[in-house]
Amino acid sequence: GENVEQHPSTLSVQEGDSAVIKCTYSDSASNYFPWYKQELGKRPQLIIDIRSNVGEKKDQRIAVTLNKTAKHFSLHITETQPEDSAVYFCAASKGNDYKLSFGAGTTVTVRA
Amino acid sequence: DTGVSQDPRHKITKRGQNVTFRCDPISEHNRLYWYRQTLGQGPEFLTYFQNEAQLEKSRLLSDRFSAERPKGSFSTLEIQRTEQGDSAMYLCASSRRLNTGELFFGEGSRLTVL
Repeated sequence: GENVEQHPSTLSVQEGDSAVIKCTYSDSASNYFPWYKQELGKRPQLIIDIRSNVGEKKDQRIAVTLNKTAKHFSLHITETQPEDSAVYFCAASKGNDYKLSFGAGTTVTVRA
Repeated sequence: DTGVSQDPRHKITKRGQNVTFRCDPISEHNRLYWYRQTLGQGPEFLTYFQNEAQLEKSRLLSDRFSAERPKGSFSTLEIQRTEQGDSAMYLCASSRRLNTGELFFGEGSRLTVL
């Protein structure tokens, strides 16, 4: 099955700085790569996703890049704010069943 | 609140007991997924339904785990003869009929097995 690895496990940034989280996947057939944000005690929520026919996608301060050859994708958060503090999970799936395989998560702390 | 709801939110049980969790998806969502999340890990896929059909159950953790969605609306996840290793958060998610990939998660049912 798909194996998704995520780094780093924790990330502390100064407010206003950028944060980058990287993930690798094992199954070259994977074609859908979402990122979920989970605040403490809350449910995971989708923040951005990318499909394998696109190399980059941006939504305001959040961007995701995908390198299919290297089988890795990254989340970039610019101008971080305290409300960006949360656990971020990358995931991957193939086909259209969306059985997501998640990474272990990155705990992001934005220091004021 | 018209989001995915799960019940109970917390369940404490003794080893060997059976437990059942219920998930009510967002109405008109035809797909429903069950995931398990342990501390410090990402959600782990267990099973999913399209309407009332269970399309995959091979990832259920053992034959003690079973799930149903009898009328294509709410779903139940049952764990028989619970073990301490079953302690985890059990998350349900649903997705739209014209699936874009986004899963809408519930807040989860936390199981503690003593």
